[in-house]
Amino acid sequence: KNQVEQSPQSLIILEGKNCTLQCNYTVSPFSNLRWYKQDTGRGPVSLTIMTFSENTKSNGRYTATLDADTKQSSLHITASQLSDSASYICVVSEASGTYKYIFGTGTRLKVLA
Amino acid sequence: EAGVAQSPRYKIIEKRQSVAFWCNPISGHATLYWYQQILGQGPKLLIQFQNNGVVDDSQLPKDRFSAERLKGVDSTLKIQPAKLEDSAVYLCASSINTNTEAFFGQGTRLTVV
Repeated sequence: KNQVEQSPQSLIILEGKNCTLQCNYTVSPFSNLRWYKQDTGRGPVSLTIMTFSENTKSNGRYTATLDADTKQSSLHITASQLSDSASYICVVSEASGTYKYIFGTGTRLKVLA
Repeated sequence: EAGVAQSPRYKIIEKRQSVAFWCNPISGHATLYWYQQILGQGPKLLIQFQNNGVVDDSQLPKDRFSAERLKGVDSTLKIQPAKLEDSAVYLCASSINTNTEAFFGQGTRLTVV
C-alpha cells in the first residue's frame, strides 16, 4: 500500500534554531517528492520538488534531501523564524498514469520567540 | 497571476443539510483536484478532473458527495446530506496537467453541527 509517514508529529523550537523534519514513503512507482508548507487557515504552498535523480534541493532557508534507495526525505530549516510556524507536508507522486499525490499527515512546527 | 479561488471561506450547517463549494482554478490549468483535510491530517483526494472529465473519484463518497466541472473550468463540490464527520477543510487545487505542480486554494472550512 502506498504510504507517506512523517515524523515528528509536532515540534517546538526556539527562534534562530535549526530543525529537521523526516519523511518515509513506500510509494511505487515513484515520480517525485514535494515538501509543502501550510499556514493555519491556508492552502499548502510548495517549497521544493525533487525527482528520483536529485539528492538535495534548497529554497532559501529550506533544504530538502532525498534518498531514493532508502525512500527517505528530510526537510532542514536553518535559522528558524516565527513565520516558519506552520504544518509541513511531504507529498509523493505516484507515476502510474494519473500521477496520484500521496500526502503525509504533516509535521506541525511551532517556533517560539 | 491570480491563484486558485475558492468560496465560501467558511460554512456552518446542521447535519442532514446540503452545502456546495465553488472553485475557480488558475487560468489554463486542465487538471483540477478536490481534497478533504480533516483537522490534524493530510489532505485526502476526493476527485480529480482533467478538463471536464473525471480521472479519479475512487475516494469520493458517492452516496452523499458529488462534483462537476461542466465547462472544464470552474468546479462545484456538493454534499447532500451532510454528516458530522464531514467537518473539514475542503481544498481545491489545479495544475497545468496531471504531472505538473498543483497550486492550492485557501480552502473552505466546513463545520457540521
